[in-house]
Amino acid sequence: DTAVSQTPKYLVTQMGNDKSIKCEQNLGHDTMYWYKQDSKKFLKIMFSYNNKELIINETVPNRFSPKSPDKAHLNLHINSLELGDSAVYFCASSHLLPGLAGLQETQYFGPGTRLLVL
Amino acid sequence: GQQVMQIPQYQHVQEGEDFTTYCNSSTTLSNIQWYKQRPGGHPVFLIQLVKSGEVKKQKRLTFQFGEAKKNSSLHITATQTTDVGTYFCAGRKAAGNKLTFGGGTRVLVKP
Repeated sequence: DTAVSQTPKYLVTQMGNDKSIKCEQNLGHDTMYWYKQDSKKFLKIMFSYNNKELIINETVPNRFSPKSPDKAHLNLHINSLELGDSAVYFCASSHLLPGLAGLQETQYFGPGTRLLVL
Repeated sequence: GQQVMQIPQYQHVQEGEDFTTYCNSSTTLSNIQWYKQRPGGHPVFLIQLVKSGEVKKQKRLTFQFGEAKKNSSLHITATQTTDVGTYFCAGRKAAGNKLTFGGGTRVLVKP
C-alpha cells in the first residue's frame, strides 16, 4: 500500500502549457506539502496545507496554484510553464505525534513527479 | 531567514571507510531531522534529534545534535555500497514551523 502517491510520475511538456500534478496520502495525516527539487538536489518547500487550509506559501510565482479538496489530497496546478520549472516535485505529508523526546513531525514523501519543460 | 548548510556537498568514500557530514543552522533549532534519498528515489526519514548534545545511533550511523542546537552531524562507519545517496538534514525553529532542508551531502562509495 502506497502511503503518499503522486501522478504522473513523469511529465514532459512544452513551454507555455498548463499542467497539474496530483497527490494523495492514505496515512490520515493533517498536513501536506509541495517541495521542488532542482537539478542540484536542493529541496525547497513551496506550499503547506493543514486540514485543507494554506499555512505556508513560500516565494513561489503566481503561476503555481495548490488546491486541497480534502485533507488527503493536495494538487498542484502550474500555468504557463517555463523552462526553469523543470525539476522534481515532491509531495509530502506529516502529522504531529507526541513522543518521549517531545513532538515529532516526520515527513513522508511521495515518489516525485519529474517535470521537464521543453 | 533561516538557513541550513551542509558540508561537504559531495563525499567520495572508499568502501569500508568512515566519514562524517556536517549540518549548520544560522538559527537555534527546536529539533533537527535527517533524511536519506537514494538515487532516483525520494527522501526517507532517518531520525529526529531534539535535546542539546543528543547522540543517537542506528547500526552504523551515529547522529549528534550540538550543545547550542545549531549544528548536527552524521557519522557513518564502515561505509557500504548501500549507503550511496544524498543525506539531508532539516531543521525546525519551533514545533509546527516549516522544515528547512540543508543542501544535502551526496555520498558516492567506491568498491
